[in-house]
Amino acid sequence: DQQVKQNSPSLSVQEGRISILNCDYTNSMFDYFLWYKKYPAEGPTFLISISSIKDKNEDGRFTVFLNKSAKHLSLHIVPSQPGDSAVYFCAASVTDSWGKLQFGAGTQVVVTP
Amino acid sequence: EPEVTQTPSHQVTQMGQEVILRCVPISNHLYFYWYRQILGQKVEFLVSFYNNEISEKSEIFDDQFSVERPDGSNFTLKIRSTKLEDSAMYFCASEGLAGEGGEQYFGPGTRLTVT
Repeated sequence: DQQVKQNSPSLSVQEGRISILNCDYTNSMFDYFLWYKKYPAEGPTFLISISSIKDKNEDGRFTVFLNKSAKHLSLHIVPSQPGDSAVYFCAASVTDSWGKLQFGAGTQVVVTP
Repeated sequence: EPEVTQTPSHQVTQMGQEVILRCVPISNHLYFYWYRQILGQKVEFLVSFYNNEISEKSEIFDDQFSVERPDGSNFTLKIRSTKLEDSAMYFCASEGLAGEGGEQYFGPGTRLTVT
């Protein structure tokens, strides 16, 4: 099941610079998208979400962009901090699917000083 | 800050044995979920639960699996006869609002090892 894809398994970025994480999806029925962050030995932690009626949502250092025509979303983290080093998962759902989230494979982000 | 808790953190069991994984969702939440992540693979949806019944389940969630909310606070996942391929991290999640893919809060997970 490859409905949500994160093609970059890892990303290294310098502290203070921008981190850009990408996610592609194939199911045009998806209408809600989320980003989760996960540290080792912890569960995923919700970061930010966007519904399909918007193309941008911002929360502090985190901004999610949605391009519905390209079936693509991205997460921008500005500025990146060492504490941002974690695995980031993109997830998507369909409104009438009782909350079932489809996850991407994740991108390991390493922020270097 | 309210959080989802899960016990045990690690469960080792022999193939064919029954296991029960326990979760305490956030207290005012109405929607409950189980996901699993096999090592090196994606987080996969197993089941959603609302109003004391299953609302959706995946193909993985076969007759060997069951969920229950026995006392209004705990939410359990039972695997009747474990197989080697059930070895994974199992995450419980809960959500307060619409149950439509909104903000789900995840627990820390239970690592299940089947030998």
